[in-house]
Amino acid sequence: QKEVEQNSGPLSVPEGAIASLNCTYSDRGSQSFFWYRQYSGKSPELIMFIYSNGDKEDGRFTAQLNKASQYVSLLIRDSQPSDSATYLCAVSSASKIIFGSGTRLSIRP
Amino acid sequence: SAVISQKPSRDICQRGTSLTIQCQVDSQVTMMFWYRQQPGQSLTLIATANQGSEATYESGFVIDKFPISRPNLTFSTLTVSNMSPEDSSIYLCSVVGSGVAFFGQGTRLTVV
Repeated sequence: QKEVEQNSGPLSVPEGAIASLNCTYSDRGSQSFFWYRQYSGKSPELIMFIYSNGDKEDGRFTAQLNKASQYVSLLIRDSQPSDSATYLCAVSSASKIIFGSGTRLSIRP
Repeated sequence: SAVISQKPSRDICQRGTSLTIQCQVDSQVTMMFWYRQQPGQSLTLIATANQGSEATYESGFVIDKFPISRPNLTFSTLTVSNMSPEDSSIYLCSVVGSGVAFFGQGTRLTVV
């Protein structure tokens, strides 16, 4: 079992709609959870992090964490073409950060 | 957030040769991390570089192939040794600040 799992996509969402990205992790001891965005040919950049169960909102982005289900999600409201990228879920475990395989998101006009 | 400078940004190398990638951080950090991102794939942790001790390698990665130096708290190097086309990848240096990972701009390596 992979430590961090994501659906590879591609996920296609119409402009202005909500994009929902999901991630599960295997280590129950994980404490910190991250979403990174990576444009083609660029390094990953941090979008959000979450430590506690529940929702955390930042502008158009909402991260959701459910530790009992070992599940993290990212919602992107009012999706824009510039949101088209690969989204990487990452989990902090045993002093290192482990990344999922990423979900390719495509926002269609 | 930390500012991480990585070089070279890209290189094309002959098989059988070695390439050393440098990573410089603008602040002192205890641990630095080296990742590999193969085409179309996510980031795979190669090793954790600790100042004053040997690097800690992840399963599937060995010191002979990926020797790492960490001479001080702001600098590290990763060498890709005896390269083959399968080593063509992006190599990323990373540091963790306040629990968050930050990345250098990456080194795009092509082995021919």
